[in-house]
Amino acid sequence: DGGITQSPKYLFRKEGQNVTLSCEQNLNHDAMYWYRQDPGQGLRLIYYSQIVNDFQKGDIAEGYSVSREKKESFPLTVTSAQKNPTAFYLCASSTSRGSYEQYFGPGTRLTVT
Amino acid sequence: GQQVMQIPQYQHVQEGEDFTTYCNSSTTLSNIQWYKQRPGGHPVFLIQLVKSGEVKKQKRLTFQFGEAKKNSSLHITATQTTDVGTYFCAGGEYGNKLVFGAGTILRVKS
Repeated sequence: DGGITQSPKYLFRKEGQNVTLSCEQNLNHDAMYWYRQDPGQGLRLIYYSQIVNDFQKGDIAEGYSVSREKKESFPLTVTSAQKNPTAFYLCASSTSRGSYEQYFGPGTRLTVT
Repeated sequence: GQQVMQIPQYQHVQEGEDFTTYCNSSTTLSNIQWYKQRPGGHPVFLIQLVKSGEVKKQKRLTFQFGEAKKNSSLHITATQTTDVGTYFCAGGEYGNKLVFGAGTILRVKS
């Protein structure tokens, strides 16, 4: 069953802690993306990766970091430098970078108190 | 940079009424995509339009791409409760990333 998995679905952390969100895909897609969604708002691009070992900042990269060591995996770390980390985080992938159809994972809802 | 504006932000309709959401880009697009996100869910791809003036239909949903390839609309005929959710447009720039609109939240009263 092909698709994108994100874990966990809900995550709670204390302020000042770094936290890593998992994203795995078995669609053999080259490009992967991380978005942040706040209530009543659209999708804002955090980071994207076109190929293994390469990634680029999106519109709101400050306070976040990523890695792309394997084609299937694109984990996102929310660092303590991110001032408002509580949000819904969505991972997506597409055949290649550009304006291609994106497939989204189920998302991780992060709450930092 | 490219901006994609979507209106309205929110619409509440009676079941059976029609619904339309509009998307406008500040730049000419290579394509426009539409996604639906059910409450508590994740965005799911609905359709992609590529050609100027293109119109595509999916059952009660009609998608249009403007002649100048800078605007688009999604029209739902005779809404049903299963149509509730947030509808996003996403504009693709030539050789560049996809930019999402803020979405239109649709609520349907039965």
